[in-house]
Amino acid sequence: AQTVTQSQPEMSVQEAETVTLSCTYDTSENNYYLFWYKQPPSRQMILVIRQEAYKQQNATENRFSVNFQKAAKSFSLKISDSQLGDTAMYFCAFMEYGNKLVFGAGTILRVKS
Amino acid sequence: DTGVSQDPRHKITKRGQNVTFRCDPISEHNRLYWYRQTLGQGPEFLTYFQNEAQLEKSRLLSDRFSAERPKGSFSTLEIQRTEQGDSAMYLCASSLELGHYEQFFGPGTRLTVL
Repeated sequence: AQTVTQSQPEMSVQEAETVTLSCTYDTSENNYYLFWYKQPPSRQMILVIRQEAYKQQNATENRFSVNFQKAAKSFSLKISDSQLGDTAMYFCAFMEYGNKLVFGAGTILRVKS
Repeated sequence: DTGVSQDPRHKITKRGQNVTFRCDPISEHNRLYWYRQTLGQGPEFLTYFQNEAQLEKSRLLSDRFSAERPKGSFSTLEIQRTEQGDSAMYLCASSLELGHYEQFFGPGTRLTVL
């Protein structure tokens, strides 16, 4: 069974600075997808960024980028120019081809002014 | 707005009662997923549907849980004889068919079993 590990229960960052959230996963599959989801307090989960395992290039979405290391099974999220609105729980998730998501336990990110 | 909706948003019930939750996916989405999220944890997969067919069920889904998706539109999740351990947020998500991987989540139904 696939597992996803987020080793940082909580992180803090000053507004406008950069923060990196860690994620490792375990799978025997070769083709899969990885995601970072954001869950703001009392609000629904939204997709931040996704990475296809067959792509070597790291995904980027505006201030959000990933460092995908397939051999190391590592998938970290970098948030640049952190904003107060980035305060949320961040979940790393793994998906086999067309199937269910397996989530990590999450990292609470607090952006301080 | 045509996002995923869930009803009710909150449900408080007494142990032993039955509860039913509803999820309305984004209209053109064929796939519908149910997850359960306990406090401080990531969501855990329960079951999913491709149109009206239930394709997979987690071992977390005991025989007290049943889900349906009649006509491939909305879905219901019923919990019979609720237990305190069923207290959680129940999340619904939907996505397009195979080849489209983003799951869109609803706001969830928070269940409290007293």
